[in-house]
Amino acid sequence: EPEVTQTPSHQVTQMGQEVILRCVPISNHLYFYWYRQILGQKVEFLVSFYNNEISEKSEIFDDQFSVERPDGSNFTLKIRSTKLEDSAMYFCASRPLAGNPKGEQYFGPGTRLTVT
Amino acid sequence: AQSVSQHNHHVILSEAASLELGCNYSYGGTVNLFWYVQYPGQHLQLLLKYFSGDPLVKGIKGFEAEFIKSKFSFNLRKPSVQWSDTAEYFCAVVGGSQGNLIFGKGTKLSVKP
Repeated sequence: EPEVTQTPSHQVTQMGQEVILRCVPISNHLYFYWYRQILGQKVEFLVSFYNNEISEKSEIFDDQFSVERPDGSNFTLKIRSTKLEDSAMYFCASRPLAGNPKGEQYFGPGTRLTVT
Repeated sequence: AQSVSQHNHHVILSEAASLELGCNYSYGGTVNLFWYVQYPGQHLQLLLKYFSGDPLVKGIKGFEAEFIKSKFSFNLRKPSVQWSDTAEYFCAVVGGSQGNLIFGKGTKLSVKP
């Protein structure tokens, strides 16, 4: 069964450094998402991406964050200058149906980002 | 804005006990509701979903959930839990036009053998 993959599984970085989290969504899916979960808190929506552009973003997704689909298979989340409070588990998800907000999302295993 | 509440933070049950996990959402219009499960060390997996129709929804592994519109609730149930059901359970609702999900805080279920 196809699945969403994410690399790395754990990333440790120093405050102020740039990090890129990578995701490979399921190949025929059309919507892509990033979520994050700070330890002990809710899973929070960051951004959705469709047709090679951001379709919706939350207030968490500020100028420090960017997303890209550089080659038709990877979907990346970049944090330009990491802060301690960016430490969290970051989940990528994808959804197969275009134009239908009801569809199930398929989640990757997550990348644990630790900012020191 | 839409929000989701899960009132139970940690539930501890013995095997064969019945389970009910509460979930309430805030917005009263058309809703699309989900329960996801995260087993230790694994990714979020869909247990079941409600879009419309029969308010009693059956999912995988013997789970079911009932959508009660008047109570803004979508509680998860299982008549007899197993040790393998030990996991964290998340209720979610579609929150935006692009299908992004709004999650509850999650309920950790521990089943004692």
